[in-house]
Amino acid sequence: DVKVTQSSRYLVKRTGEKVFLECVQDMDHENMFWYRQDPGLGLRLIYFSYDVKMKEKGDIPEGYSVSREKKERFSLILESASTNQTSMYLCASSPGGGGPSNSPLHFGNGTRLTVT
Amino acid sequence: QKEVEQNSGPLSVPEGAIASLNCTYSDRGSQSFFWYRQYSGKSPELIMSIYSNGDKEDGRFTAQLNKASQYVSLLIRDSQPSDSATYLCAAPGTAGNKLTFGGGTRVLVKP
Repeated sequence: DVKVTQSSRYLVKRTGEKVFLECVQDMDHENMFWYRQDPGLGLRLIYFSYDVKMKEKGDIPEGYSVSREKKERFSLILESASTNQTSMYLCASSPGGGGPSNSPLHFGNGTRLTVT
Repeated sequence: QKEVEQNSGPLSVPEGAIASLNCTYSDRGSQSFFWYRQYSGKSPELIMSIYSNGDKEDGRFTAQLNKASQYVSLLIRDSQPSDSATYLCAAPGTAGNKLTFGGGTRVLVKP
């Protein structure tokens, strides 16, 4: 089974802090994704990566950056956390065949981030 | 128009009945469609993939795809209280480089 591991289940940070969310997958997947999920707004794509050191903006990249130095690890960075970034953050991965839009995603357990 | 649309529900079904969920998508060129189940407070879990017109069955779940009408549906037969969850439909967005999720349909199965 694919395992996608997010480093923290719950996180509380203060406004203005730099926040790192880490995600590791163990199935040698090419594609990795960061989503946030908010009530009434559904799943929204922040950034994705289809190869090491490659990144693509999703639908809501503002206020975020990402890093993919190794194939198995994809990090989401909140440069200066704000209260409107309080959310559930979900990391996902998918195999490369067919491209990022044609392969099923496998999600991690999520990180519930609260910014106070 | 949203790229992937679902009725938010809740869809209330009695135990043992069939739950029928629908999803419409806007990109005619979409080739791959996925259904996810998400329990409250948990992450989405893949339950079905479908790539060709017609029906695909897996246990109590059947996915149906109609590319001409641009909809994909999910049937849950013999619904159980444990099927109570939000079901998310996913399809390629018009940009073609990522999956887009619908808002989800909440299903409540009543004993």
